[in-house]
Amino acid sequence: SQQGEEDPQALSIQEGENATMNCSYKTSINNLQWYRQNSGRGLVHLILIRSNEREKHSGRLRVTLDTSKKSSSLLITASRAADTASYFCATDPVDSWGKLQFGAGTQVVVTP
Amino acid sequence: DGGITQSPKYLFRKEGQNVTLSCEQNLNHDAMYWYRQDPGQGLRLIYYSQIVNDFQKGDIAEGYSVSREKKESFPLTVTSAQKNPTAFYLCASSTTYGSRNTIYFGEGSWLTVV
Repeated sequence: SQQGEEDPQALSIQEGENATMNCSYKTSINNLQWYRQNSGRGLVHLILIRSNEREKHSGRLRVTLDTSKKSSSLLITASRAADTASYFCATDPVDSWGKLQFGAGTQVVVTP
Repeated sequence: DGGITQSPKYLFRKEGQNVTLSCEQNLNHDAMYWYRQDPGQGLRLIYYSQIVNDFQKGDIAEGYSVSREKKESFPLTVTSAQKNPTAFYLCASSTTYGSRNTIYFGEGSWLTVV
């Protein structure tokens, strides 16, 4: 069963706008990761946030984690056309260490 | 260049045939993984290997087989027992097993049953 569920399923924005997507999960986790996938390609790791962390930044990316609500968010600031991709969260459940559980992803389209 | 190479990119299989997807990495990683992705879905773990000559079933191993005879190679065989094999298959690796390590993905292989 999928541990992470992303919301929204799809997001369409214009260049320069911010994009926010959320991930909810069901069981306790060791950490949560975000990946990007361009159409028909492999996944690229973006950022990892541990269960004892609340916020992390990497360039234009900002990730938050709220373990009490079992949710995470990914914010992409000042989006570019090159950010068009699907974004997946992956959780590492405490009871199945190392077996990442991926959500169905958020498809983001950034128009010039 | 270092990375993960999957081949072929596109593969067509007739019903009842076995096919093997190749995955080679030159990152010197101990752990390797195979995932399946269906359209509009997330990734599901088929098999993983923590170290050479060792592998374990993932969440959807039925109808698949793997081997890990060399550190750099982790081929996946889709057998005729897999009833719905049409999907996008992704191979991945990490320094060691465990989610603290970044997982690196290959470019994927599309398998279609005709």
